[in-house]
Amino acid sequence: KQEVTQIPAALSVPEGENLVLNCSFTDSAIYNLQWFRQDPGKGLTSLLLIQSSQREQTSGRLNASLDKSSGRSTLYIAASQPGDSATYLCAVKAGANSKLTFGKGITLSVRP
Amino acid sequence: EAQVTQNPRYLITVTGKKLTVTCSQNMNHEYMSWYRQDPGLGLRQIYYSMNVEVTDKGDVPEGYKVSRKEKRNFPLILESPSPNQTSLYFCASSSNLRNRGGGYTFGSGTRLTVV
Repeated sequence: KQEVTQIPAALSVPEGENLVLNCSFTDSAIYNLQWFRQDPGKGLTSLLLIQSSQREQTSGRLNASLDKSSGRSTLYIAASQPGDSATYLCAVKAGANSKLTFGKGITLSVRP
Repeated sequence: EAQVTQNPRYLITVTGKKLTVTCSQNMNHEYMSWYRQDPGLGLRQIYYSMNVEVTDKGDVPEGYKVSRKEKRNFPLILESPSPNQTSLYFCASSSNLRNRGGGYTFGSGTRLTVV
């Protein structure tokens, strides 16, 4: 059974810092991995999608990497801003018709 | 705009009163799914559908029903809601075609309170 872990559960950083959010998964046989952002009580916004054959994806200040063999992904946020404060969720998909298995998320607070 | 639309956004109901939460997607996705999100438990899949007239149980299906009569719609039905179904619910869709990437799109959520 796939398990996804995100540690730590919460993180507080000063504005402007570059930061890395970690995600680990137990079964390396994945179809893709997706990073989401969730603001309190709101929906999930997809940030980046990495296919199993890819090593990284970039969007603006965000960069996500994938190392299937070690069961790890990282989300890199450059020059963090208070508006980046949210919960970041990592999720893996086992196959084309599979559900997403989510980590519990990392709640990020960026202090002005 | 490509999106998943859920209604209502907020719902307060009483125990035992049947309710339906609607979900519609405009991306011609084959796969649709319902999740619930609870503090400390994260997101858990309730039911999913791989295409029209094909549905199956997820991890926490008890107390819920779904149907998929049309490709775009996937309603969640609570026949007799109970307080333990108070939660934040999300509908999501995805293509199962390799050339479409397979990423999930989520709706904005439905906050359900059962009293």
